Amino acid sequence: GIQVEQSPPDLILQEGANSTLRCNFSDSVNNLQWFHQNPWGQLINLFYIPSGTKQNGRLSATTVATERYSLLYISSSQTTDSGVYFCAVVALIQGAQKLVFGQGTRLTINP
Amino acid sequence: DTGVSQDPRHKITKRGQNVTFRCDPISEHNRLYWYRQTLGQGPEFLTYFQNEAQLEKSRLLSDRFSAERPKGSFSTLEIQRTEQGDSAMYLCASSLGGTGAGYTFGSGTRLTVV
Repeated sequence: GIQVEQSPPDLILQEGANSTLRCNFSDSVNNLQWFHQNPWGQLINLFYIPSGTKQNGRLSATTVATERYSLLYISSSQTTDSGVYFCAVVALIQGAQKLVFGQGTRLTINP
Repeated sequence: DTGVSQDPRHKITKRGQNVTFRCDPISEHNRLYWYRQTLGQGPEFLTYFQNEAQLEKSRLLSDRFSAERPKGSFSTLEIQRTEQGDSAMYLCASSLGGTGAGYTFGSGTRLTVV
């Protein structure tokens, strides 16, 4: 099945720094999503981004589907950005969409 | 609508006991998914419902696991004869239609088998 790899596995930064998280996937995909899992376990949908670039405040994401990777950018990091960031690609199952997740990047923003 | 709700948030059980978790999806969502997440890993797909029909089950879902979604509303996930390897976070998600853009996760149920 499709493989999803994220890098780096861990990232520790000072507040105010910028960061780039990468997601590589093994096969062509129809779409891709980025999630943030907060310390309480809640997965928050950040971007649905099959291709191109999207921005939402300090966060932006770019997917280059032909080269099978996606990048998540976080600018001017805040302590509340800490948590685990997951990339997930979508596999079709009987008309609905099953998510295949990477192992995540754990981001720690120190004050 | 307050999103996807899961109950309980935490469950500690002794090995060999049965446990049942509940998920209430967003009311207008017709698709419901269960995922399992172990420590340090990303969530893994377990099963999927479209309305009340269970359309897909992962090989991770052994015979001790059963899921239902009566009347196409809330769903339950039961684990019989729990084992220590069942300890994990069990996540429920729902979506409307097949576009993939509207996946919404609940806060999960953390199961600890002692």
